[in-house]
Amino acid sequence: AQSVAQPEDQVNVAEGNPLTVKCTYSVSGNPYLFWYVQYPNRGLQFLLKYITGDNLVKGSYGFEAEFNKSQTSFHLKKPSALVSDSALYFCAVSSDRGSTLGRLYFGRGTQLTVWP
Amino acid sequence: NAGVTQTPKFRILKIGQSMTLQCTQDMNHNYMYWYRQDPGMGLKLIYYSVGAGITDKGEVPNGYNVSRSTTEDFPLRLELAAPSQTSVYFCASSTTGRGFYEQYFGPGTRLTVT
Repeated sequence: AQSVAQPEDQVNVAEGNPLTVKCTYSVSGNPYLFWYVQYPNRGLQFLLKYITGDNLVKGSYGFEAEFNKSQTSFHLKKPSALVSDSALYFCAVSSDRGSTLGRLYFGRGTQLTVWP
Repeated sequence: NAGVTQTPKFRILKIGQSMTLQCTQDMNHNYMYWYRQDPGMGLKLIYYSVGAGITDKGEVPNGYNVSRSTTEDFPLRLELAAPSQTSVYFCASSTTGRGFYEQYFGPGTRLTVT
């Protein structure tokens, strides 16, 4: 069965410092991995995705994520955090096979707080 | 291009009442989805549709019904509201269901059942 784990409910970081939001996954077949961000009282917005190829994926607002197949991880990173990055971040996975083809499975979310 | 729109934004229902959550997309996407978001639980798939006239159950379909008569619209029906259905509901759409296309989300409907 497909599943996603975000081991940290909360990540706190000072503005200007690097940030990492962790995600590990379990999937049958090849994974397609996504990061979404949710600002208060808003819907989810797509940040970036890994489909195939280069393990380092760059996305919106200076975010990037690294796919690590051996560790089944897809951690979200940013070299220098901004206060405006404070939001709820979701990791999601789908795969290329099985009866759940195309369906997204979400982690529980990580609340990122960047303080000035 | 409005993307995915949802109405209403907020609603309070009494136990046993019924309502329909509306969802419309103007991107000509074939695939549409309904999720519910509970605090600390991520998003769970309720129902999805692969095109007009075709719908299927997701992980948590009990207590809900859907229909898809057009490509644009995908309403979610609650027949007998229960407190367990208090949640935030998101509609989403994507170009295909191949798994590697991102989904586009509406702004959500916050539903309280008392």
